Amino acid sequence: QLQLQESGPGLVKPSETLSLTCTVSGGSISSSSYYWGWIRQPPGKGLEWIGSIYYSGSTYYNPSLKSRVTISVDTSKNQFSLKLSSVTAADTAVYYCVIAAAGTNWFDPWGQGTLVTVSS
Amino acid sequence: SSELTQDPAVSVALGQTVRITCQGDSLRSYYASWYQQKPGQAPVLVIYGKNNRPSGIPDRFSGSSSGNTASLTITGAQAEDEADYYCNSRDSSGVGNWVFGGGTKLTVL
Repeated sequence: QLQLQESGPGLVKPSETLSLTCTVSGGSISSSSYYWGWIRQPPGKGLEWIGSIYYSGSTYYNPSLKSRVTISVDTSKNQFSLKLSSVTAADTAVYYCVIAAAGTNWFDPWGQGTLVTVSS
Repeated sequence: SSELTQDPAVSVALGQTVRITCQGDSLRSYYASWYQQKPGQAPVLVIYGKNNRPSGIPDRFSGSSSGNTASLTITGAQAEDEADYYCNSRDSSGVGNWVFGGGTKLTVL
């Protein structure tokens, strides 16, 4: 069974780039028909889909974040990553990495989440 | 703003039945999925597809859909069901992006 674990800095300065990595265990990121994605949740608020990358390399981004987001896969490390540029305090959130199987609409499993605070 | 609309809060008496709804145009084409989130925890998938429960989810949770509205029903709500519930599906753009509802806070009285 696939398991996900987020990692990365917990504090990012305004205007800088937020970078997170999700390590996949229990299977190979390159041999499975999955969408590898990111979802975030600001403190006390709801869930927001950030974007997903298909195992073939196609990317899908939330239109409201598209200009600042890059999601990529590193098959050699069995990881996928998120980069969000020009961050502001509004980007402070718990960031989750998630999986959606090809042909499905749901996310399962989820990583445990990692809090990223944007502050100087 | 979200393309899926949920009531912000719903309450139910212990042991009674509660329905949580999710509305959106894309639900005419796609099934909604439902997630339960308790404080300080990651969301957990409780319903997916037409009406499927992942392993370990009690059978008091069920899903249904009609037109542009999807529903999550908890039959015989328990104290441990008190949580935030989120629906999600694809959006209506046709591109294949995902979208979440704003969430419903369920209180079990």
